[in-house]
Amino acid sequence: AQSVTQLDSQVPVFEEAPVELRCNYSSSVSVYLFWYVQYPNQGLQLLLKYLSGSTLVKGINGFEAEFNKSQTSFHLRKPSVHISDTAEYFCAVSEKNNDMRFGAGTRLTVKP
Amino acid sequence: GAGVSQSPSNKVTEKGKDVELRCDPISGHTALYWYRQSLGQGLEFLIYFQGNSAPDKSGLPSDRFSAERTGGSVSTLTIQRTQQEDSAVYLCASSLEWEAETQYFGPGTRLLVL
Repeated sequence: AQSVTQLDSQVPVFEEAPVELRCNYSSSVSVYLFWYVQYPNQGLQLLLKYLSGSTLVKGINGFEAEFNKSQTSFHLRKPSVHISDTAEYFCAVSEKNNDMRFGAGTRLTVKP
Repeated sequence: GAGVSQSPSNKVTEKGKDVELRCDPISGHTALYWYRQSLGQGLEFLIYFQGNSAPDKSGLPSDRFSAERTGGSVSTLTIQRTQQEDSAVYLCASSLEWEAETQYFGPGTRLLVL
């Protein structure tokens, strides 16, 4: 079965700095990959997804992620963060959509 | 509806009581999913519905947990004889079809068992 590892539980960063949230997965078959964001006291919102095709995926709020099959990674990046990006970020993998597995989450804290 | 809705948004109950959590998926979505998010942990997949059918119930934590879906729409997650370790946020998601790649999440129900 597929699994996901988010390497950093917390990432503090100053406003306007770049950020990378790391995600590695394991699976024996082709997968779909996702990043979700959860703002305080809210549900999960889809940031971006990789299904097939171009390995560089652009999402909402200026985020992007790159699928690297050889390294089984799907790291999330943003060149310049804002205070409003402070949230919990979850990487997820699905071999078929009926069983999506999530990482433990990375808490991004953007400081002024 | 415009999005997935869940009720109640918060529930406080005493240990040993039964609770029912409700999920209204996006209109027309045939697939529905339940997850649990415990403090300091990631999201735990519980169960999914394809229409009214739940092909795999092995993700449910114990036999105190059950879920049903009627009319291909609303789903109810029931926890019997609640325990303190059941305290968590229970999230519901839906997708257009069971093989559709994108799940849309509701705001969750925050359950606290005293």
